[in-house]
Amino acid sequence: GEDVEQSLFLSVREGDSSVINCTYTDSSSTYLYWYKQEPGAGLQLLTYIFSNMDMKQDQRLTVLLNKKDKHLSLRIADTQTGDSAIYFCAEPHDYKLSFGAGTTVTVRA
Amino acid sequence: DGGITQSPKYLFRKEGQNVTLSCEQNLNHDAMYWYRQDPGQGLRLIYYSQIVNDFQKGDIAEGYSVSREKKESFPLTVTSAQKNPTAFYLCATGPRGTERNTGELFFGEGSRLTVL
Repeated sequence: GEDVEQSLFLSVREGDSSVINCTYTDSSSTYLYWYKQEPGAGLQLLTYIFSNMDMKQDQRLTVLLNKKDKHLSLRIADTQTGDSAIYFCAEPHDYKLSFGAGTTVTVRA
Repeated sequence: DGGITQSPKYLFRKEGQNVTLSCEQNLNHDAMYWYRQDPGQGLRLIYYSQIVNDFQKGDIAEGYSVSREKKESFPLTVTSAQKNPTAFYLCATGPRGTERNTGELFFGEGSRLTVL
């Protein structure tokens, strides 16, 4: 995950919005991804964005892409206890996927 | 059920022993991957295979070996040469081909290996 950077922890109150940030290095990436990992489980693809888009919205999830700064963010509206998980940003390199270190989101009542 | 099955879920090993982690899929995906997960370090790629009878080293292949004799199976052997094998191991599959497809991976539930 050395090419993709994320902050490690985020604590948010239930009902508030969560914003998870990521920086990547390969400006030629055409797609960027967000994965979610619940405790003790594998990862699941949450959403992705095509590089010619600035924003993508899917229900409570909003992905923002700033290609100039190579910055990607994931916003979760109305955060619920079920959103507690590790969130990974990922970008493809040579038909492989590189992951960030993951941001652990803790939702408090 | 369609999906990816990793076994065993938990495994304990003594130092100096080789162990093999199983990964089986019935998604008909060409590509299979092994990742290692350590706290605070995210996922690191060990080996990957784009097609049967072919595989490539990832970023941290030393001390590991794989085989891809069947499309459905991609076992990972953790050898005694791996200096720090205690970790959570994740197998993933995906369709081979375009860059977009490269990112749409499906993961197993993982195998946790502990070296005593």
